[in-house]
Amino acid sequence: ILNVEQSPQSLHVQEGDSTNFTCSFPSSNFYALHWYRWETAKSPEALFVMTLNGDEKKKGRISATLNTKEGYSYLYIKGSQPEDSATYLCAFFGNTGKLIFGQGTTLQVKP
Amino acid sequence: DTAVSQTPKYLVTQMGNDKSIKCEQNLGHDTMYWYKQDSKKFLKIMFSYNNKELIINETVPNRFSPKSPDKAHLNLHINSLELGDSAVYFCASSQDLGRRDEQYFGPGTRLTVT
Repeated sequence: ILNVEQSPQSLHVQEGDSTNFTCSFPSSNFYALHWYRWETAKSPEALFVMTLNGDEKKKGRISATLNTKEGYSYLYIKGSQPEDSATYLCAFFGNTGKLIFGQGTTLQVKP
Repeated sequence: DTAVSQTPKYLVTQMGNDKSIKCEQNLGHDTMYWYKQDSKKFLKIMFSYNNKELIINETVPNRFSPKSPDKAHLNLHINSLELGDSAVYFCASSQDLGRRDEQYFGPGTRLTVT
């Protein structure tokens, strides 16, 4: 059974704080690691698709790093804003040909 | 201008009924998917189609049958609905087989079986 685990499950921060979460995935048969942002009452939206070990991607105040050898990815949010409140999902794409999602980290940013 | 649309958004029905959920994408993507959000909030793949051909068929009851009339549509038909089928079902699409392509999700269909 392939496991994708995210930690923490939930996080409360103050506006302006920087924060980060972890996604752990199998280190073998790696093809890609996806990050999605899922706001309440909406559908998941892609943030990043990462494929190379050591990859680092950035979109505004959000960035992600990838370590395929040890099987983890970090998502960083710099200077959190209330509109960053959402569930952040990572998903592993291996040789099974399908995305396997983690349970998500739910971020609440207090003004 | 919705990229991936699903109908209906809410579906309340009784046990034993047959129902369908429709999905359409206007992105010109080749691959479409059905996911189920389970009771622990995990998104789990059920099926995927690439150019109308079934690619992934997870271990789901055969009461669930996907149909892809063309590559822009992927419908989900469910026979003899059971209480345990209550969940949110998401349709998604991607340009290729989803490896390096981000997936675009529909708004979800909340199915409640009473």
